[in-house]
Amino acid sequence: DGGITQSPKYLFRKEGQNVTLSCEQNLNHDAMYWYRQDPGQGLRLIYYSQIVNDFQKGDIAEGYSVSREKKESFPLTVTSAQKNPTAFYLCASRDSDSSYEQYFGPGTRLTVT
Amino acid sequence: DAKTTQPNSMESNEEEPVHLPCNHSTISGTDYIHWYRQLPSQGPEYVIHGLTSNVNNRMASLAIAEDRKSSTLILHRATLRDAAVYYCILRDNFNKFYFGSGTKLNVKP
Repeated sequence: DGGITQSPKYLFRKEGQNVTLSCEQNLNHDAMYWYRQDPGQGLRLIYYSQIVNDFQKGDIAEGYSVSREKKESFPLTVTSAQKNPTAFYLCASRDSDSSYEQYFGPGTRLTVT
Repeated sequence: DAKTTQPNSMESNEEEPVHLPCNHSTISGTDYIHWYRQLPSQGPEYVIHGLTSNVNNRMASLAIAEDRKSSTLILHRATLRDAAVYYCILRDNFNKFYFGSGTKLNVKP
């Protein structure tokens, strides 16, 4: 089946450690996105990529980094510089020929203590 | 500041219509209006979108005000499975999606 996978579903880290969240899609979509969601709030854009080897900062990119070396993969690294990393992280992809719909993964809940 | 404003929560009875409002007074001429919904601990899913004209699909209808400063998502017959958080979103011409804080819809049997 085609879709987006994010792993793991739950992730626990100690403060001061970098952590990388995985996002893989087999939909052959060009564009991919990372969002952060805090309890009771909407989604905020961290980074997005319209094409391989290119990405742009979203509204809250500080303390995060990404890479887009392959079309199907868009990993997000939460660095120790991110002051409040505990959140629900959602990855999405979009077919650039059908620009209206984003397909979301199941999300990763990151807890940093 | 958020580009869209929605009520925090709404309640509906099962099998009755639901009208979910959204204000987007700073919308630009090229922004599309999208609606997604999200179940607990899941990613959002697409519901409907439009630019200027009202839109219908199998899930819902979207009514867009003539000045485009507001819109309303209409669920014609709410079911228990429609209970979710509904997000009103603007998509700009760089294909960035701006989510509001959402409306939590509770459907009573």
